[in-house]
Amino acid sequence: EPEVTQTPSHQVTQMGQEVILRCVPISNHLYFYWYRQILGQKVEFLVSFYNNEISEKSEIFDDQFSVERPDGSNFTLKIRSTKLEDSAMYFCASGTFEQYFGPGTRLTVT
Amino acid sequence: SQQGEEDPQALSIQEGENATMNCSYKTSINNLQWYRQNSGRGLVHLILIRSNEREKHSGRLRVTLDTSKKSSSLLITASRAADTASYFCATSKNDYKLSFGAGTTVTVRA
Repeated sequence: EPEVTQTPSHQVTQMGQEVILRCVPISNHLYFYWYRQILGQKVEFLVSFYNNEISEKSEIFDDQFSVERPDGSNFTLKIRSTKLEDSAMYFCASGTFEQYFGPGTRLTVT
Repeated sequence: SQQGEEDPQALSIQEGENATMNCSYKTSINNLQWYRQNSGRGLVHLILIRSNEREKHSGRLRVTLDTSKKSSSLLITASRAADTASYFCATSKNDYKLSFGAGTTVTVRA
């Protein structure tokens, strides 16, 4: 069964550093998403991506964040200058109304 | 916000018993979905119910939707230890962005 994969599973970075989280969505899906879940809190929508451009973004997704589909299979989330409050589990998903989630990347900012 | 809110926050039941959890939301929706999350893992899609549907079944899962009350329920029948997880409702409107509730943590005791 096709699945969404994410790398790395855990990323530790220092405050102010740039991080890139990677995802491989399901191959025939056209819509991609990033969500995040701060420990003990709700899963929050960050951004949706379709046809090589952002289709919607939340208030959380400010200028520090960017997404890219650098090739035909990868979908990345970049955080330019990480803050302590960016520590969270980041989930990639693909699909439309029914979305398939990856296992997540746990980002720890120290 | 159209975010769902689950009730109860936590539920502990004996194996073989049924588990029922509820979700309320604030605005009109296109569909409502339930997801499961095992500890520290990604979200797994369980079932989607459209706004014009009132009840849906999938295996041991039964979902109801009452759009007049803006609420949904998820029933897991004959629970198993493997059902121990957090369960989230998620709503979407005309776009594909999912708005998640805070979740219900279900513990099934052997």
